[in-house]
Amino acid sequence: EPEVTQTPSHQVTQMGQEVILRCVPISNHLYFYWYRQILGQKVEFLVSFYNNEISEKSEIFDDQFSVERPDGSNFTLKIRSTKLEDSAMYFCASSESGGYNEQFFGPGTRLTVL
Amino acid sequence: AQSVAQPEDQVNVAEGNPLTVKCTYSVSGNPYLFWYVQYPNRGLQFLLKYITGDNLVKGSYGFEAEFNKSQTSFHLKKPSALVSDSALYFCAVRDLYSGAGSYQLTFGKGTKLSVIP
Repeated sequence: EPEVTQTPSHQVTQMGQEVILRCVPISNHLYFYWYRQILGQKVEFLVSFYNNEISEKSEIFDDQFSVERPDGSNFTLKIRSTKLEDSAMYFCASSESGGYNEQFFGPGTRLTVL
Repeated sequence: AQSVAQPEDQVNVAEGNPLTVKCTYSVSGNPYLFWYVQYPNRGLQFLLKYITGDNLVKGSYGFEAEFNKSQTSFHLKKPSALVSDSALYFCAVRDLYSGAGSYQLTFGKGTKLSVIP
């Protein structure tokens, strides 16, 4: 069964450093998403991406964040200058379409900012 | 704005007994509702969804959920719990009328289900 994959599973970085989180969505899916979950809190929407551009973003997704689909398979989330409060589990998701289709989630990348 | 409430942080149930995990929602228009399950060190796995039609929807692993518009609820149920059902369960909502290009899901905080042998 096709699945969303994410790398790395755990990333440790120093405050102020740039990190790139990588995702490979399901191959025939057209919509891509990033969510995050700070420990003990809700899963929160960050951004959605379709047709090579951001279709929606939350207030969390400020200028420090960017997304890219550099080739036909990868979808990346970049945090330009990490802060302590960026420590969280980051989930990538994809869906066939943006309507009523369910989103399929990857296993997550745990980001720890020291 | 859309929101989801899962009033119970934890639900304990004996193996073989029926289980219910509660979810209520708030949207401006009509809701799309989803249940996901998260096992330790795994991503969120889709269980089932309500879009329209029959209020009782069936999903994976014997789970079902009942949509109740008047009570704005979408409780997850299973007639007979298994120890392997022990996991974290998330309810999520999307507002059908949240606007073109808006497909974000809003999640509840999750309910930890423990099935006791």
